[in-house]
Amino acid sequence: AQTVTQSQPEMSVQEAETVTLSCTYDTSESDYYLFWYKQPPSRQMILVIRQEAYKQQNATENRFSVNFQKAAKSFSLKISDSQLGDAAMYFCAYRSANNNNDMRFGAGTRLTVKP
Amino acid sequence: DTGVSQNPRHKITKRGQNVTFRCDPISEHNRLYWYRQTLGQGPEFLTYFQNEAQLEKSRLLSDRFSAERPKGSFSTLEIQRTEQGDSAMYLCASSLGSGSVPQYFGPGTRLTVL
Repeated sequence: AQTVTQSQPEMSVQEAETVTLSCTYDTSESDYYLFWYKQPPSRQMILVIRQEAYKQQNATENRFSVNFQKAAKSFSLKISDSQLGDAAMYFCAYRSANNNNDMRFGAGTRLTVKP
Repeated sequence: DTGVSQNPRHKITKRGQNVTFRCDPISEHNRLYWYRQTLGQGPEFLTYFQNEAQLEKSRLLSDRFSAERPKGSFSTLEIQRTEQGDSAMYLCASSLGSGSVPQYFGPGTRLTVL
């Protein structure tokens, strides 16, 4: 079974600085999708960024980018120019291309942004 | 912009009672998912519908849990004979298709079983 591990329960960053959140996953499949979701306090989860495993190029969405290392099964999220509104729980998620009804989430990383 | 909505947002019940939650997905989305999220954890998949058909259920979904999506639009999740271990946030998500298509999440229903 696929598992997703986020080894950093909490992270903090100074406003305007850069922070990287780690995610590793375990799978025997070659085709899958990876996601980062953000869950602000008392608000619903929203998609930050996604990556298809067959694409070598790292996904980028404005201040958010990923470092996808397929061989190492690593999928880290980099947030540049951190803003106060970035404070939230961040979840890494894996979705098989063969059974894509089931999305597996990590335990999350709580990001604090210091003014 | 009409996103995924869930009702109620909070539910407090006594052990042994039945509860029902409702999810209204984004209107054109054919897929609807239910997840459970406990404190300090990521969401765990419970079940999913494609249109009105329930196509997959997690082993987490005991026989006390039942979900329906009668007309392929809104969905309900019922928990019978609630137990304290059922206390969690129940999240609903919807998507148009699968694969790398993102799931859009609702705000969740927080269940507390006393």
